[in-house]
Amino acid sequence: GENVEQHPSTLSVQEGDSAVIKCTYSDSASNYFPWYKQELGKRPQLIIDIRSNVGEKKDQRIAVTLNKTAKHFSLHITETQPEDSAVYFCAAKTQGGSEKLVFGKGTKLTVNP
Amino acid sequence: DTAVSQTPKYLVTQMGNDKSIKCEQNLGHDTMYWYKQDSKKFLKIMFSYNNKELIINETVPNRFSPKSPDKAHLNLHINSLELGDSAVYFCASSQAGTGRWFGKNIQYFGAGTRLSVL
Repeated sequence: GENVEQHPSTLSVQEGDSAVIKCTYSDSASNYFPWYKQELGKRPQLIIDIRSNVGEKKDQRIAVTLNKTAKHFSLHITETQPEDSAVYFCAAKTQGGSEKLVFGKGTKLTVNP
Repeated sequence: DTAVSQTPKYLVTQMGNDKSIKCEQNLGHDTMYWYKQDSKKFLKIMFSYNNKELIINETVPNRFSPKSPDKAHLNLHINSLELGDSAVYFCASSQAGTGRWFGKNIQYFGAGTRLSVL
């Protein structure tokens, strides 16, 4: 089955710096890759996603890149702010049979003012 | 007008008890899910229903039994609660999970139910 690895598990940056979180997946048939942000005590919320027919997608300060050949995708946050502090999860959607999202183990991002 | 709502928000109970968590979505989605998030924050899918039909049943003890009376509701009943069941349980829903819609599987999560087994 699909396996998603996420790194780093924790990331601390200074306000204004960029943050990059990387994920790899094992199933080349996976075709959808969302990123979720979970603030402390809150629900996971989708912040950006990318489909396998696209290499890059940007939404204001956040961007996601996908390398299908290497089976990895990354989240980039520029000009980080303290409110970006949260746990970020990547996920990959399996294809065929029982489709599901397989999540990475999360990255705790801390943005220091 | 919460999209995915689950109750209760907190559940504290003794080992051996039976408890239920309810979930409702008003998004008109076909597919609903239950996830377990442990103390290390790992999100793991437990079950998925599509139009009241069970489509995903991960390796979950038989003490956990989901029930979907209609496609807008997915409840989770847990028998004989154990200490290791303590976690946050999230319900989620999405438009489709059967592959007909290429890539469309945006999942919307409920606020979670924090279960503490003493």
